[in-house]
Parts: sequence; structure tokens; C-alpha cells
Amino acid sequence: GESVGLHLPTLSVQEGDNSIINCAYSNSASDYFIWYKQESGKGPQFIIDIRSNMDKRQGQRVTVLLNKTVKHLSLQIAATQPGDSAVYFCAETEAGTALIFGKGTTLSVSS
Amino acid sequence: DAGVIQSPRHEVTEMGQEVTLRCKPISGHDYLFWYRQTMMRGLELLIYFNNNVPIDDSGMPEDRFSAKMPNASFSTLKIQPSEPRDSAVYFCASSSLGDGYTFGSGTRLTVV
Repeated sequence: GESVGLHLPTLSVQEGDNSIINCAYSNSASDYFIWYKQESGKGPQFIIDIRSNMDKRQGQRVTVLLNKTVKHLSLQIAATQPGDSAVYFCAETEAGTALIFGKGTTLSVSS
Repeated sequence: DAGVIQSPRHEVTEMGQEVTLRCKPISGHDYLFWYRQTMMRGLELLIYFNNNVPIDDSGMPEDRFSAKMPNASFSTLKIQPSEPRDSAVYFCASSSLGDGYTFGSGTRLTVV
């Protein structure tokens, strides 16, 4: 029978390309945002975070952009590597409460 | 620090049995969260604690689910009686002052 489940968006890139993963968040009062990477059989792993008083934050090979006007978050990965293949989730929270997760995007990197 | 520690990693049980999942948060973290991940619903918040006190349990699906945090270094999530639809991966996470949310490796629960 047909498998029923979340249909995660998929982004397929070549090794060395830059990747951009997008996320729309729901709560205009959210003030803290995190991007997580989840590999098969593992828990979500912190990548980078950003607070609502910023619109850009850079880490090692990753950049997060926040557009509060349209409630949009993006994760940019520079020089994508096969090891970056995973499911990526954005998460939002308000005033230190629990994280609420988006549905996730599958990143597939081919060499 | 060893991070958030969950046990067991895998649990297979028969329908109707009691299941207890365990979590040890990162030392010094004052928030603890329980999430459930399924293909159908993604990552869902079940309950969270602040300083060992339950703050929001609105995500707990039914009375069959209960969670406790008797001290700052230990929490349990119990399902009694378990049902096949409870099969999922259950994650525990902890944070400090609502920052630095760190997840454990999860418990994969299969109810047959």
C-alpha cells in the first residue's frame, strides 16, 4: 500500500554547491530560532541559532537569515559536502518556552 | 559533559504493557522537554518542565501518558497501557534559561 506520512521538501545539490533551506514560522511573538540537523537514527543536532533582534548570523560554513516581516527563516550552507546530507529542521520559541518544530527539509548531496 | 542521556535506546513491548522511558538532562539545565517523532506528525512537544515543575502538558496525547521529574537530574515518561499507535521515537531535550536546547539520542519505541 501507499506509505502515508509527512511529505518533506527535498533539496538535491552537488558537492561544492551552496545550499539554501527555507522555513516559514508561525508565531510572530517568537524571539529565538534554531536550525537543527538530524541524521538517520540520531537526535536533532544544533547547527546555529538567532535571536529576533538580529537578521543575520554566521557560523562555520552556515549562515542563518531572519526576516521577521514575513516570518521567514533560511539556512545557507556554503560548499555543501556529502556529510551535510540529512533532514534539517527550523524551530522557534517564545520567551524561553518549548521549541516548536517545522516539518523539515531533506538535503541530499551528491558527489 | 555527556549531553542528554536517554534510556533505553530501543524498546519493543506488547500492547497493553507499561513502558517507562528515562532521561538525564545536562547538569545545570533548568528546562526539560519530551518530544515524540513520527512520520505522520513530525516532532511534537509532549510536555516540558522548568525547575522540575511541569509547565505545559497540553501535548500529552492521552491519560495513558504521564511524565515526572522527581529531581533536577532525572525524568521519566510512562505509557500505560501502551498501544501500537504509540510507536515512535521519543526524544528528551534540556536547556538553560530557555537557551542551548540539546537533544538526546532518543528512544525508539515499538509496540506490537
